[in-house]
Amino acid sequence: GAGVSQSPSNKVTEKGKDVELRCDPISGHTALYWYRQRLGQGLEFLIYFQGNSAPDKSGLPSDRFSAERTGESVSTLTIQRTQQEDSAVYLCASSLAGRTYEQYFGPGTRLTVT
Amino acid sequence: RKEVEQDPGPFNVPEGATVAFNCTYSNSASQSFFWYRQDCRKEPKLLMSVYSSGNEDGRFTAQLNRASQYISLLIRDSKLSDSATYLCVVSAPYNTDKLIFGTGTRLQVFP
Repeated sequence: GAGVSQSPSNKVTEKGKDVELRCDPISGHTALYWYRQRLGQGLEFLIYFQGNSAPDKSGLPSDRFSAERTGESVSTLTIQRTQQEDSAVYLCASSLAGRTYEQYFGPGTRLTVT
Repeated sequence: RKEVEQDPGPFNVPEGATVAFNCTYSNSASQSFFWYRQDCRKEPKLLMSVYSSGNEDGRFTAQLNRASQYISLLIRDSKLSDSATYLCVVSAPYNTDKLIFGTGTRLQVFP
């Protein structure tokens, strides 16, 4: 079946602009995660959605970052007033409710802020 | 101190070699442990879970030592296709739905 998809695959934006990144999880996966991976670095947790529960936003680095999820489907991560340090690969992952350790990752969106 | 610490490597080993990676985690309240694999410029994928009793999957063996807060991964008979970055992953304290990823150990297997 279809895996996790993300769009765009690459995004180049000017400093100060807003960007929206999209994630389509695997159908039936109630849990959805966003991570950031800077070049040569590990995965940094950003936010987590689980069903209809309030999202865990504890990893969002600043109030310029926000994310929404429509039901148990698509999620968008929005970065306002982008800064050069926001340049990274943004990875989305989804999992079944009872198997949140087995996260299926999308290919990521490579964001470059110039 | 980082929540999950790994030696970044790289570990350069010949085909057929046995190689071991180690990882330590800082919070004893973490309950679940895993190894993920990430190929160059690809997304991470679950490799295996780690249990106190040890867990073996073919050429791969994972071990957990809760007392020392230490996790290991052993790869026997290395293949060229094992070349990747191996991520040590620990569940957040008191929240098994949230995972904390180490920065990874890079393995390069050469002919």
